[in-house]
Amino acid sequence: GIQVEQSPPDLILQEGANSTLRCNFSDSVNNLQWFHQNPWGQLINLFYIPSGTKQNGRLSATTVATERYSLLYISSSQTTDSGVYFCAGRPPGNNRKLIWGLGTSLAVNP
Amino acid sequence: NAGVTQTPKFRVLKTGQSMTLLCAQDMNHEYMYWYRQDPGMGLRLIHYSVGEGTTAKGEVPDGYNVSRLKKQNFLLGLESAAPSQTSVYFCASSYSTGGGNQPQHFGDGTRLSIL
Repeated sequence: GIQVEQSPPDLILQEGANSTLRCNFSDSVNNLQWFHQNPWGQLINLFYIPSGTKQNGRLSATTVATERYSLLYISSSQTTDSGVYFCAGRPPGNNRKLIWGLGTSLAVNP
Repeated sequence: NAGVTQTPKFRVLKTGQSMTLLCAQDMNHEYMYWYRQDPGMGLRLIHYSVGEGTTAKGEVPDGYNVSRLKKQNFLLGLESAAPSQTSVYFCASSYSTGGGNQPQHFGDGTRLSIL
């Protein structure tokens, strides 16, 4: 099946720093989404980005579907950005499930 | 709008007990999903539904049953709870347009511990 690799697995930042998280897929996927799981366990939709670039405040995401990867940019990081960031995509075909990466665990220190 | 609401938020069961987790969505989504999340792993799909009255198996369906009697509700049942079912359970929903190519929206999760 399709494999999803996220890098780095862990990241520690000082408040105010910028970072880039990467998501690689072993094969083509649809429905690519980025999620933030906060320290309370809630899964927050960040981006639905099957291709192209989107921005939302300090966060932006770029998906290059032809090369099977997506990037999440966090600028001017804040302590509230801490948590785990997941990417997930849906394999082509009549398949409802999302394939998930193992996440990038981010800690932003004050 | 409340979005996707899961009840209960926490539950502790003894081995062999049964229980039902409730997921309700107010977005008129056709598709609904139940996932489990375990430490060091991504979410794994247990069961899903593409419409009222329909259900289908996901990756890890054993030990669970589901029902979708109403479009807005998706129930996950554990008939005889086992310690291996200790996990955090997430419900999600999405529109069906575009062949399922719509973002999934998640509830806040249910933390279930089986002793």
